[in-house]
Amino acid sequence: NAGVTQTPKFRILKIGQSMTLQCTQDMNHNYMYWYRQDPGMGLKLIYYSVGAGITDKGEVPNGYNVSRSTTEDFPLRLELAAPSQTSVYFCASSHDGGAYQPQHFGDGTRLSIL
Amino acid sequence: KQEVTQIPAALSVPEGENLVLNCSFTDSAIYNLQWFRQDPGKGLTSLLLIQSSQREQTSGRLNASLDKSSGRSTLYIAASQPGDSATYLCAANDYKLSFGAGTTVTVRA
Repeated sequence: NAGVTQTPKFRILKIGQSMTLQCTQDMNHNYMYWYRQDPGMGLKLIYYSVGAGITDKGEVPNGYNVSRSTTEDFPLRLELAAPSQTSVYFCASSHDGGAYQPQHFGDGTRLSIL
Repeated sequence: KQEVTQIPAALSVPEGENLVLNCSFTDSAIYNLQWFRQDPGKGLTSLLLIQSSQREQTSGRLNASLDKSSGRSTLYIAASQPGDSATYLCAANDYKLSFGAGTTVTVRA
């Protein structure tokens, strides 16, 4: 079972560069999420999607963009990377938005902006 | 805004001891409370999900309680083993998950 797959696992960017973090799930889940986790902190929600074509901002959306053209994929785009975006990024999906079933998480992308 | 706090931030116990992990949240209007385990370099794995109408949930050696009115949940792990060493996070679900910073547990053999 693949579950939620994130690529790449590690990446180093220079300030001002852009990149896309990929996330795909094979569970046919409608809900998908992007979080960031900073050292010693809980996960913070960046963006989420309740279905293909529908996205919405979370708690910390500035500096990021998302799209959801298919049920399976939910890429996160960083434009003009800044040192403050150094973090571990997690993608998650769920069947029912967490009402009765927990979210399933990928293994994360560790991103450093230098 | 929902604020979730986990105390202590770290815990070290000898093998066989029972573990008690605490989680508090500020807004009691939640759908459920979820506990996750995170191993180094890995994502989160769901352990238990307690609905707001429930008082506790059990899975094997794990038991989680929920007191919504006081904004508290506790995760109990019985007879700890070195394999239980990990970071444990709780999250309050009021349509979106709000996470605590976690408790890092070390079980000494």
